[in-house]
Amino acid sequence: SQQGEEDPQALSIQEGENATMNCSYKTSINNLQWYRQNSGRGLVHLILIRSNEREKHSGRLRVTLDTSKKSSSLLITASRAADTASYFCATDQMNSGYSTLTFGKGTMLLVSP
Amino acid sequence: NAGVMQNPRHLVRRRGQEARLRCSPVKGHSHVYWYRQLPEEGLKFMVYLQKENIIDESGMPKERFSAEFPKEGPSILRIQQVVRGDSAAYFCASSQKEQQFFGPGTRLTVL
Repeated sequence: SQQGEEDPQALSIQEGENATMNCSYKTSINNLQWYRQNSGRGLVHLILIRSNEREKHSGRLRVTLDTSKKSSSLLITASRAADTASYFCATDQMNSGYSTLTFGKGTMLLVSP
Repeated sequence: NAGVMQNPRHLVRRRGQEARLRCSPVKGHSHVYWYRQLPEEGLKFMVYLQKENIIDESGMPKERFSAEFPKEGPSILRIQQVVRGDSAAYFCASSQKEQQFFGPGTRLTVL
């Protein structure tokens, strides 16, 4: 699998349900970030979790990071139709003192009313 | 998106023409990144620049593509002699520390 690979590729749920997306990566990282992209639009930064952190919350979002398994998960609780979007994880590897992000292909989330 | 501006938002070019994409970073940010997103794909890193310097261009094709971030003015991604495979969304991001702030992207269509 490539660096920052999400699964599932697509997820369809009803409003009010929770959505969980997973991300796996290969190399050591400085931090891992989750982004949302609405169809045909730019990226919105959701949350950043550093390599020495295990869990982080932001509103209805909960992100976990397991560096031993090189994996992260994004949980969206009590989903809404407006959460419909593609979600990407991006790993920051801090090469030579600067960061470049490596993105996965994303999980497409559809929340039905 | 914290003020990163890109223009144009949509650009149509015929094969062989040149495409110039502009990015104005968040005021005060001196780090600029360019990414390319092909349909149904995630973003792929192309180049990282600081003012007047290219720091890392490992993700940029060796031919036809160039980038600059002059002392004054926006960062420019230039694609010469475009081909159909260049059709994609090109995103710019700027940062001062860890978090990169993304612009809305330029969608390039090559006919």
